[in-house]
Amino acid sequence: AQSVTQLGSHVSVSEGALVLLRCNYSSSVPPYLFWYVQYPNQGLQLLLKYTSAATLVKGINGFEAEFKKSETSFHLTKPSAHMSDAAEYFCAVSDPGTYKYIFGTGTRLKVLA
Amino acid sequence: NAGVTQTPKFQVLKTGQSMTLQCAQDMNHEYMSWYRQDPGMGLRLIHYSVGAGITDQGEVPNGYNVSRSTTEDFPLRLLSAAPSQTSVYFCASSTQGTLSYNEQFFGPGTRLTVL
Repeated sequence: AQSVTQLGSHVSVSEGALVLLRCNYSSSVPPYLFWYVQYPNQGLQLLLKYTSAATLVKGINGFEAEFKKSETSFHLTKPSAHMSDAAEYFCAVSDPGTYKYIFGTGTRLKVLA
Repeated sequence: NAGVTQTPKFQVLKTGQSMTLQCAQDMNHEYMSWYRQDPGMGLRLIHYSVGAGITDQGEVPNGYNVSRSTTEDFPLRLLSAAPSQTSVYFCASSTQGTLSYNEQFFGPGTRLTVL
């Protein structure tokens, strides 16, 4: 069965510092991987997705993620944090053939001035 | 386009009461789903539908019913509310596709408290 693990339920970075949010997946078949962001009191919106076309995926708001099969990882990065990046971030994997998405437990990002 | 809409935004129920959470989308998406979000547990799939007349259970279906009579609407029914169902509920939709790589579009959520 597919699963994702997000390391660190809370991450704090200073404004302008590198953002690194970790996601590891477990899958017996090539996965489709996603990062979603949730701003306070809102629904989730897609940041980026990996569908095997390229291992480095660029998303909105300057975020990117790299698919590393050898490490079963799909970590999310942004070179320079902005106050507006404060939100909760979810990694997700889709289960091909069943249309089920499995979400990680989320990482809440805090950006310090 | 309004996207995915959910009503109500907030609801307080007493144990044993029933209610229906409404979800509608205007994007002609085949796939719709319901999740609950609890602190530290991420989003867990309750039920989903791959088209009108077709529904299936997700990870945590007990205590919830769904039906899909139209492409646009996917209501979630709580049969007899319990405090354990206190949560934030999200509805999502996407084009079905064949490779499961399609983006899901989420509604704004319904915050439910069961006393």
